[in-house]
Amino acid sequence: QKEVEQNSGPLSVPEGAIASLNCTYSDRGSQSFFWYRQYSGKSPELIMSIYSNGDKEDGRFTAQLNKASQYVSLLIRDSQPSDSATYLCAVNMQGSARQLTFGSGTQLTVLP
Amino acid sequence: EAQVTQNPRYLITVTGKKLTVTCSQNMNHEYMSWYRQDPGLGLRQIYYSMNVEVTDKGDVPEGYKVSRKEKRNFPLILESPSPNQTSLYFCASSLIGQEQYFGPGTRLTVT
Repeated sequence: QKEVEQNSGPLSVPEGAIASLNCTYSDRGSQSFFWYRQYSGKSPELIMSIYSNGDKEDGRFTAQLNKASQYVSLLIRDSQPSDSATYLCAVNMQGSARQLTFGSGTQLTVLP
Repeated sequence: EAQVTQNPRYLITVTGKKLTVTCSQNMNHEYMSWYRQDPGLGLRQIYYSMNVEVTDKGDVPEGYKVSRKEKRNFPLILESPSPNQTSLYFCASSLIGQEQYFGPGTRLTVT
């Protein structure tokens, strides 16, 4: 079982729709969770961090965390073509010296 | 400006010719890491460092070396590059337990 799992996609949504990206993790003791956006050939860029159960909103982005279900998600409202990218889920696993464990990413395409 | 820098950004070299990719951060971060990214394989960690003189292997360390003599610098050394090390390389840094910040990437081609 992978430590951090994401649906690889590709996920396609029409412009203006809500894109929902999901991530599950194996370590129940994990404390910190991050979402990165990566455009093709570019470096990952942090877009959201979340540390406690519930929702955290930042503009069009909402991160949702459910530690009991070991599940973190990212919602993108009013999706734009410029949101087309790969989204990486990253988890800081308890006691891991490696700090962050990354999922393999979900490729999102927003269709005009 | 807080940033992670990498040099060179692009490099084409030949098999067996030693090379170094530099990484530097100006955020006083304890943690630094190197990743490689290949199509369909996601980010794979090569080496990481928790602090000066403390380094450890990641998932794919074979064929690579690192050193951490100063807090701000974490160079990646390929002693004898091979074509299977052709990849996109990222350096990242962070405070312990916090989000990582990535450099712009180095695209390496080994012929």
